[in-house]
Amino acid sequence: EPEVTQTPSHQVTQMGQEVILRCVPISNHLYFYWYRQILGQKVEFLVSFYNNEISEKSEIFDDQFSVERPDGSNFTLKIRSTKLEDSAMYFCASSGTSGSGYEQFFGPGTRLTVL
Amino acid sequence: GIQVEQSPPDLILQEGANSTLRCNFSDSVNNLQWFHQNPWGQLINLFYIPSGTKQNGRLSATTVATERYSLLYISSSQTTDSGVYFCAVGNSNSGYALNFGKGTSLLVTP
Repeated sequence: EPEVTQTPSHQVTQMGQEVILRCVPISNHLYFYWYRQILGQKVEFLVSFYNNEISEKSEIFDDQFSVERPDGSNFTLKIRSTKLEDSAMYFCASSGTSGSGYEQFFGPGTRLTVL
Repeated sequence: GIQVEQSPPDLILQEGANSTLRCNFSDSVNNLQWFHQNPWGQLINLFYIPSGTKQNGRLSATTVATERYSLLYISSSQTTDSGVYFCAVGNSNSGYALNFGKGTSLLVTP
């Protein structure tokens, strides 16, 4: 069964460093998303991406964040200068379009620890 | 964004018991999903149910879109059902971004 994959599973970085989180969405999906979950809290939407551009973003997704689809399969989230409060689990998700195609499927997550 | 409230926040059950989890939301939705977050943090899709009723084994869900709530039923609970259950909703106004509730933390004891 197709699934969303994410790498790495765990990333440790120093405050101020740049990180890139990688995702491979389900191959025939057209919408891509990033969410984050701070430990013990609810899952929060960051950004959605459709047709090679951002379609929606939350207040969390400020200038420190960027997304890219560098090729036909990968979808990345870059954090330019990490802060302690960026420590969280980051989930990538993808969905199709129309009807039940809007169901979002989530990857296993990347746990980011900023020291 | 759409407000999502889940109840109860915590639930402890003995194995074999049944339970009902509730999700209230503040606006019309095109997407409503129930997830189970396992102890490893993975979000497992349970149901995509913006309206109607679905069943999958011991789990079933009902969404009454006109009254803006959804219910998740767990019957004959097992210890492996333990974890956090999230309801998440979205609509076309927000690019189908999912707004999550705070979840119901379920512990099933032997």
